[in-house]
Amino acid sequence: DTGVSQNPRHKITKRGQNVTFRCDPISEHNRLYWYRQTLGQGPEFLTYFQNEAQLEKSRLLSDRFSAERPKGSFSTLEIQRTEQGDSAMYLCASSSAQGLGEKLFFGSGTQLSVL
Amino acid sequence: GENVGLHLPTLSVQEGDNSIINCAYSNSASDYFIWYKQESGKGPQFIIDIRSNMDKRQGQRVTVLLNKTVKHLSLQIAATQPGDSAVYFCAENIPPARQLTFGSGTQLTVLP
Repeated sequence: DTGVSQNPRHKITKRGQNVTFRCDPISEHNRLYWYRQTLGQGPEFLTYFQNEAQLEKSRLLSDRFSAERPKGSFSTLEIQRTEQGDSAMYLCASSSAQGLGEKLFFGSGTQLSVL
Repeated sequence: GENVGLHLPTLSVQEGDNSIINCAYSNSASDYFIWYKQESGKGPQFIIDIRSNMDKRQGQRVTVLLNKTVKHLSLQIAATQPGDSAVYFCAENIPPARQLTFGSGTQLTVLP
């Protein structure tokens, strides 16, 4: 499969626990994005990487959230001390474009439920 | 069938009819627009895109129209099929950012 892969597909956790999600982008894509989507809404941008450098972060990304892409390939998104408001679908996308404005290829997401 | 802006989040059409999904985007500086289809439990799937220096682009059964004067984007689906049932999102790129800003979507239901 050459698409964007996300693991796990579903995560149920208790409030206050830490969770980590993984994203494997399409190989050779240098840009990797994280979005969050709640029911009935469009995806909201969280952060993006160009290779291993994190270049943009949304104000939605509180200090409980951290993302890494250590070798410019896969990425992880960690949420510490989860809250019920963190329940959402977390989507990863990748692209290979060089300029502004580009087509993103999305994975199937990780559905997080915080109890 | 036709949906106007984001005030009517659902659109029902008969199988075989043409569908028109509309989107009022937010920023006159946006230079790139894209339509995604999202089925339940899946990530958004690319349909078609258009740059701001164009006003029309056609794909297989789909056409995107861009009217920059009124900041309006539409997606036309010809001969709508049951497999087209999904939520459709428009998204824009607002320079100098390098990420897409999504609208809230339209649920398209194709009736047999």
